[in-house]
Amino acid sequence: DAKTTQPTSMDCAEGRAANLPCNHSTISGNEYVYWYRQIHSQGPQYIIHGLKNNETNEMASLIITEDRKSSTLILPHATLRDTAVYYCIVRAYNNAGNMLTFGGGTRLMVKP
Amino acid sequence: GAVVSQHPSRVICKSGTSVKIECRSLDFQATTMFWYRQFPKQSLMLMATSNEGSKATYEQGVEKDKFLINHASLTLSTLTVTSAHPEDSSFYICSARNGLEAFFGQGTRLTVV
Repeated sequence: DAKTTQPTSMDCAEGRAANLPCNHSTISGNEYVYWYRQIHSQGPQYIIHGLKNNETNEMASLIITEDRKSSTLILPHATLRDTAVYYCIVRAYNNAGNMLTFGGGTRLMVKP
Repeated sequence: GAVVSQHPSRVICKSGTSVKIECRSLDFQATTMFWYRQFPKQSLMLMATSNEGSKATYEQGVEKDKFLINHASLTLSTLTVTSAHPEDSSFYICSARNGLEAFFGQGTRLTVV
């Protein structure tokens, strides 16, 4: 699976959009971009995934650059409960039997 | 959405005893489950891959005789920490895949005293 690079930490004001970047310059054609988050002392929570098109669900939007070498997770209206560590993971579609490899993630702090 | 349930959420045990952690996929079948360990302020580290009906695959540096994994059915995998020591105190998390998505249990906080 391709390696990802994320900022160690970010702050965001409550009610504003949180934009979390991820670099995955070595991504290959069959690899998806996944985002998970982990709230303190809980298991990771799936947020969203995408291949090359932008994706949106009830939690967030995922913007993938045309060359697929980077992506941005957008939380449109951050709340205090969105404070968590956000992990960007790249893995192949046919890698069904294999695990997710977690990097350091971005620690997002949403402030009042 | 798919749910993975992990039990117990928190356990304290005496040094030298064994502890069993259960991981269940509640509304889907999982031929493969994964066990992770997370130390404070660190990321999740894969310990082993649990395969239904066959032996688990352990990551380098993880003792298979200490961390016993049993995946007896398509919805249940168990991790037993044998002869636990204080250095085994950690947050243990299981995961199961359902299609393209991986779902995680709520984690088990193990404290060995």
